[in-house]
Amino acid sequence: EADIYQTPRYLVIGTGKKITLECSQTMGHDKMYWYQQDPGMELHLIHYSYGVNSTEKGDLSSESTVSRIRTEHFPLTLESARPSHTSQYLCASQPQGYGTEAFFGQGTRLTVV
Amino acid sequence: GENVEQHPSTLSVQEGDSAVIKCTYSDSASNYFPWYKQELGKRPQLIIDIRSNVGEKKDQRIAVTLNKTAKHFSLHITETQPEDSAVYFCAASMGGGFKTIFGAGTRLFVKA
Repeated sequence: EADIYQTPRYLVIGTGKKITLECSQTMGHDKMYWYQQDPGMELHLIHYSYGVNSTEKGDLSSESTVSRIRTEHFPLTLESARPSHTSQYLCASQPQGYGTEAFFGQGTRLTVV
Repeated sequence: GENVEQHPSTLSVQEGDSAVIKCTYSDSASNYFPWYKQELGKRPQLIIDIRSNVGEKKDQRIAVTLNKTAKHFSLHITETQPEDSAVYFCAASMGGGFKTIFGAGTRLFVKA
């Protein structure tokens, strides 16, 4: 079934650890996004990609990196996790073109202890 | 770049009343304005959208209006029900390789 998948769904990790959050979509969408969202709050853009090997930083990107080697895969890496990184991380994908819908993954809930 | 402002941040209405959420955008080149609903613990999902060549669009109890001159667009929910309680996000985009920009969200509470 065409969808956007995030793994893991829940992660508890110690301060200073390096972590990678996975996001894959099977819809062939060119555009992909990473957002940080506290429950019921604003979507803060971390990174944006408009195609393979093309990425752009968002407002909260300074402590994380992304790669887009394949269309379907857009992993997010935190080099050194901190308690302030505790939040939900949402991945989204969207086709190119005018007036296209963005599809969101179910999210990864990260807790840094 | 594009900036989208959304008001109010929180809205509480009685069941059966109407709810209105308003957004403004900054870039006149934006031409597509979707609205997403995020229920508690779920992911945001598209509920309705409007394109720049249309002034109003309706789908059952929800409607969107667009004023291109003023760069305003609004979501109207009539006969609200408890299941309308959620966070609503407006957004604006220009298509192509440009990213979609989201408003800060409105937390709607419908009291039974």
